[in-house]
Amino acid sequence: QKEVEQDPGPLSVPEGAIVSLNCTYSNSAFQYFMWYRQYSRKGPELLMYTYSSGNKEDGRFTAQVDKSSKYISLFIRDSQPSDSATYLCATTRGAQKLVFGQGTRLTINP
Amino acid sequence: GAGVSQSPRYKVAKRGQDVALRCDPISGHVSLFWYQQALGQGPEFLTYFQNEAQLDKSGLPSDRFFAERPEGSVSTLKIQRTQQEDSAVYLCASSLDRAWDQPQHFGDGTRLSIL
Repeated sequence: QKEVEQDPGPLSVPEGAIVSLNCTYSNSAFQYFMWYRQYSRKGPELLMYTYSSGNKEDGRFTAQVDKSSKYISLFIRDSQPSDSATYLCATTRGAQKLVFGQGTRLTINP
Repeated sequence: GAGVSQSPRYKVAKRGQDVALRCDPISGHVSLFWYQQALGQGPEFLTYFQNEAQLDKSGLPSDRFFAERPEGSVSTLKIQRTQQEDSAVYLCASSLDRAWDQPQHFGDGTRLSIL
């Protein structure tokens, strides 16, 4: 079993929809959580990072962490075609190696 | 540019050949990471440097893989006697220091194909 599980999709939604992306993790030692966006043939780009349980909002993006259930989510409001990409959740015990989920491939249809 | 630079962007090699992949981190970044990303998968950790010291190499899949960062800036990942299962995208990331709130900035990777 992988340390971080993420549904690979693909997920296809119409423009303007609210998108919900989710991951679960197995090790309670993970303390820090990130969401990366990866466009085709590009490197991952950091979207959000958080430490504590609860919500963190940045523009159209909201990251949610529930440490009690080991569940992390990313919500995208008013989705745009430019949001079409692979979204990767990641976690780490400290400031060193990141453990990634498989990535969810998202398409926003105009 | 100001980002992490990797070269070459694409590399094709025959099985059994040695390859060397280069990473130029963001200037002043202390920490440097290498990851391997197979098709349709998330990146997987290979190794980590703080300045010139290799502090964690637990993710290197075999002794055919070797990484160095001799002067604490540019890093090279070398794969000896390549195998077909080494085909993947190799990503380099750097961060300002070890603090968790210093994000890792990724390059666009080297896409390695072993024939």
